[in-house]
Amino acid sequence: IAGITQAPTSQILAAGRRMTLRCTQDMRHNAMYWYRQDLGLGLRLIHYSNTAGTTGKGEVPDGYSVSRANTDDFPLTLASAVPSQTSVYFCASSGDRVTNTGELFFGEGSRLTVL
Amino acid sequence: GQNIDQPTEMTATEGAIVQINCTYQTSGFNGLFWYQQHAGEAPTFLSYNVLDGLEEKGRFSSFLSRSKGYSYLLLKELQMKDSASYLCAVSDSNYQLIWGAGTKLIIKP
Repeated sequence: IAGITQAPTSQILAAGRRMTLRCTQDMRHNAMYWYRQDLGLGLRLIHYSNTAGTTGKGEVPDGYSVSRANTDDFPLTLASAVPSQTSVYFCASSGDRVTNTGELFFGEGSRLTVL
Repeated sequence: GQNIDQPTEMTATEGAIVQINCTYQTSGFNGLFWYQQHAGEAPTFLSYNVLDGLEEKGRFSSFLSRSKGYSYLLLKELQMKDSASYLCAVSDSNYQLIWGAGTKLIIKP
């Protein structure tokens, strides 16, 4: 593993189903993030974690939950998927959120379609 | 509210120079960032400006004016591989990144 790995890369899901997007980093970064990217809109922050054991809500947290049991893993769960959650999801990390000088490292993205 | 504005799409010719503008209105300012994103790929970091002025990095330069809430990304000697979306983002008073929708740059031979 080098950098950030996301899984699955693509998924079609029926509305109402539960889904977990996985994210693992091997850079020992403290801060991790989940964004969604929709056509015509900027990246929007869903949840973040400044360090293992802590999480926080971003701009669009409703319908999503996260956990940060250790430094490397930051899964994103959709408890009951809805069509408006169709999007491309990016996991990212940085050395430190507060003093971050901008270099977020992104995973390759997970394209989720909810029907 | 917080807002980042950048043109939706721009077209330029291979070998030429192009300037992509970004204006912002945010609650606080802790730096402005430019990222490059090729279609179907993840964004990758290009530059960071926190003080006014020009930062040069090879063929790419980024300029910031905090008093005007304005930045631009300058790409010189354009190559076909520069065809991508360019994302402007500002770190606000809470160190949260606010992202623009991106500028799709099309390079023509």
